[in-house]
Amino acid sequence: QKEVEQNSGPLSVPEGAIASLNCTYSDRGSQSFFWYRQYSGKSPELIMFIYSNGDKEDGRFTAQLNKASQYVSLLIRDSQPSDSATYLCAGMDSNYQLIWGAGTKLIIKP
Amino acid sequence: NAGVMQNPRHLVRRRGQEARLRCSPMKGHSHVYWYRQLPEEGLKFMVYLQKENIIDESGMPKERFSAEFPKEGPSILRIQQVVRGDSAAYFCASSPRTDYNSPLHFGNGTRLTVT
Repeated sequence: QKEVEQNSGPLSVPEGAIASLNCTYSDRGSQSFFWYRQYSGKSPELIMFIYSNGDKEDGRFTAQLNKASQYVSLLIRDSQPSDSATYLCAGMDSNYQLIWGAGTKLIIKP
Repeated sequence: NAGVMQNPRHLVRRRGQEARLRCSPMKGHSHVYWYRQLPEEGLKFMVYLQKENIIDESGMPKERFSAEFPKEGPSILRIQQVVRGDSAAYFCASSPRTDYNSPLHFGNGTRLTVT
């Protein structure tokens, strides 16, 4: 069964530090990966996606993909209290279906 | 460019009633997905539709739930004879096509409460 796994947390990070969120996946056929942020009571919003091995940067966010290790991560630099949310990782398989992780709750402490 | 529009935002139904949830995808998007989320839980895929076709309904309960995406108008998720366990947030998402560079864009969701 295709799975995407995330540590549920909560992950507590001091304000201004780097928050590192990790995700592993079981399906070697998955081609691209998406990070969404979900505030409590709100809908998921796309942060960024990555499909090539290596790093992809967008502002304070960096996504990292290692297909050999089946590992995806999201780094948030200069963490702010407003970054406190649940972060969802999803992989798109060879049928273009998204396989979702359960999410990691991130808490940024002022 | 309007985003994915869902209505109503909140819906209260008594047990046994029908719930109809509507979703208008983003302009230019022809692929619609429905998800259910219980409090403090992850997203659960329900159904994937294109115009007039159900592509994947592997996440839909076999009874009481149905979905459609007609040629004209919004996509509808229908829950007949609701029970308390149907209380959840239902999210609709859309994408313009199926490829590895097409993320889903989510609506604000419908919070269904069954009393």
